[in-house]
Amino acid sequence: SQTIHQWPATLVQPVGSPLSLECTVEGTSNPNLYWYRQAAGRGLQLLFYSVGIGQISSEVPQNLSASRPQDRQFILSSKKLLLSDSGFYLCAWSVHTGSYFLNYGYTFGSGTRLTVV
Amino acid sequence: QQQVKQSPQSLIVQKGGISIINCAYENTAFDYFPWYQQFPGKGPALLIAIRPDVSEKKEGRFTISFNKSAKQFSLHIMDSQPGDSATYFCAANSRAGKSTFGDGTTLTVKP
Repeated sequence: SQTIHQWPATLVQPVGSPLSLECTVEGTSNPNLYWYRQAAGRGLQLLFYSVGIGQISSEVPQNLSASRPQDRQFILSSKKLLLSDSGFYLCAWSVHTGSYFLNYGYTFGSGTRLTVV
Repeated sequence: QQQVKQSPQSLIVQKGGISIINCAYENTAFDYFPWYQQFPGKGPALLIAIRPDVSEKKEGRFTISFNKSAKQFSLHIMDSQPGDSATYFCAANSRAGKSTFGDGTTLTVKP
């Protein structure tokens, strides 16, 4: 069965410090991968998505970046965190774009609560 | 431009009542409509989904009603329980693109 791992669960970082959040998927190959951010009590904001290794699309201009060094690994990074980067970060995967499956909903990780102080 | 509009933003229902959350979409290319349930501090989890060739899908106490001509779909939670208290997101997918999410509905079921 497919599983998605996301870590760490919580993180408190000072302003100006770097960030690295990692997400890995098991039990599937060539998935679409996504990074979302959710502010408290708010909806899901898509940050980045990837349809393959090294292929990253950015949805929102910001000081965050994403990388996909391996098929089932997705990393969210920042060189210098801002207070406004605080939030709940979610990684998700879905079947590859264009695949013919009956079910192509998203499977989300358990999230990382980031607090920038 | 938001392509999936979800309402209401929040909903309070008494235990045993029916919770109804509505969504409307614009893009006729969407062909898969999932609902997600999110508990505080957790990631959203796929709850139930429907394809546009079906007008209704039921799984236990959860039912999706789909109106293709009106481009609307809704989630009905029958016999709502306090354990159903969560945030619910509707979404719309097309095989060629990303999922588009509604803004979410916070459901509170009072005992």
